[in-house]
Amino acid sequence: DAKTTQPTSMDCAEGRAANLPCNHSTISGNEYVYWYRQIHSQGPQYIIHGLKNNETNEMASLIITEDRKSSTLILPHATLRDTAVYYCIVRVASGTGTASKLTFGTGTRLQVTL
Amino acid sequence: GAVVSQHPSWVICKSGTSVKIECRSLDFQATTMFWYRQFPKQSLMLMATSNEGSKATYEQGVEKDKFLINHASLTLSTLTVTSAHPEDSSFYICSARDQGAWGHGYTFGSGTRLTVV
Repeated sequence: DAKTTQPTSMDCAEGRAANLPCNHSTISGNEYVYWYRQIHSQGPQYIIHGLKNNETNEMASLIITEDRKSSTLILPHATLRDTAVYYCIVRVASGTGTASKLTFGTGTRLQVTL
Repeated sequence: GAVVSQHPSWVICKSGTSVKIECRSLDFQATTMFWYRQFPKQSLMLMATSNEGSKATYEQGVEKDKFLINHASLTLSTLTVTSAHPEDSSFYICSARDQGAWGHGYTFGSGTRLTVV
C-alpha cells in the first residue's frame, strides 16, 4: 500500500471548515484514498473514501487532485465533537469475501476550539 | 450499519494472569477480523489477522504464543493475552468488514483498555 504523509496537528475554530491535507505521491492506479478518524479512547470510525472523483457524504467531503498525488478531507462546519486524530490511508479495495489489512500511519490530530 | 462489539471495554489484571478480549460482528459475518494495539499517543499497530476456522496471521514481532487468537465462528474472534505483564498494558482494538458486501469501510470495535498491575 502507498505511503501517506499528513501534518502532525492542526487547529480549527468551531463552525469553520477544517481542511486536512494528505500526500500520497506513490499512489497506484487501483488504490483508493480512505479517511478514518479516532476520537480519544474509541475505535476508529470510517469517514469517506474516493478513487479519483471528489466525494461528499453526510460527514465530509474528499477532494482528490487530478494527478491523485494528494487529497484533502473537508469538514465543512467543524464542531468540538470533531476533535480527533484523522488518518489518511491509501490501499486497494477489497472485494466480496476478502478483507485485506488496513495499515495506519501517524495521522493528523485536529483540535477544534471555541 | 455494520456494528462490531468489543468486550470488555476495560480490564485490570494482575501480572502473570491471562485476559481474554472478545470481538463480535453483530449484524454481519466476517471471515476475517483484525486485532490492533495502540500505546498512548501512538497510532494503531496491527498485531494479527484473525481467520475463521484457521490459524491467525501475526505481524512481525508479535508473539503468537503470548497473544492467542481464536476465530471459531463468522461472528466472533477472541484475543487472549497470556501471562500478562505491565508492558502489555495498552488499548486493544478489533475490526472487521462485512464480507458479503462490496464495501469499503471497515468497522472497528470500541476498544479494550488493558492495565496490568
